[in-house]
Amino acid sequence: GAVVSQHPSRVICKSGTSVKIECRSLDFQATTMFWYRQFPKQSLMLMATSNEGSKATYEQGVEKDKFLINHASLTLSTLTVTSAHPEDSSFYICSAREAVNEKLFFGSGTQLSVL
Amino acid sequence: QKEVEQDPGPLSVPEGAIVSLNCTYSNSAFQYFMWYRQYSRKGPELLMYTYSSGNKEDGRFTAQVDKSSKYISLFIRDSQPSDSATYLCAASNSGYALNFGKGTSLLVTP
Repeated sequence: GAVVSQHPSRVICKSGTSVKIECRSLDFQATTMFWYRQFPKQSLMLMATSNEGSKATYEQGVEKDKFLINHASLTLSTLTVTSAHPEDSSFYICSAREAVNEKLFFGSGTQLSVL
Repeated sequence: QKEVEQDPGPLSVPEGAIVSLNCTYSNSAFQYFMWYRQYSRKGPELLMYTYSSGNKEDGRFTAQVDKSSKYISLFIRDSQPSDSATYLCAASNSGYALNFGKGTSLLVTP
């Protein structure tokens, strides 16, 4: 199947710093990418939908100024957690929608720990 | 009420057993149904993808969708310890952003 690369897989940062997470579709073009967060033993929670070349659409309750999303090309989307705080510690996962058959493929996730 | 409901388990079965995982959904507009397998601290891996009602088989896995009762199932035959993971069902009306169940934790014991 299609491969979605996400990195870093794990990041530990100090409170107040910003962290950037990259999501790349390696062997297909993804006009739409999604960002999720997942707390332990919880399901994936959609944060935002990212369309190439346009502004991301954020889900209700997700601060767009805190979670900056950039989808500059058909194979790359980035999520920047700005001024991270301990409550932002979570598992962040991206997914990319394959244009041909509309299937979604996921990255391997990023464990963010804010001290 | 969440649009997709799934019993979180955990579900423990002996190796070789047939596993049945189930979800219900509330939105009759859903047309796309998926099952994902997620190992601890990894991203979900697409297992099965079905459109509308019916069955789909892939090796030891069978996905079943009954739109009349809004019920989706995943069957695993001859379960193996390597099948131990969390299984997430998902549904969508467009193939876009998915509505996920909470995931069912499965443990297959040798």
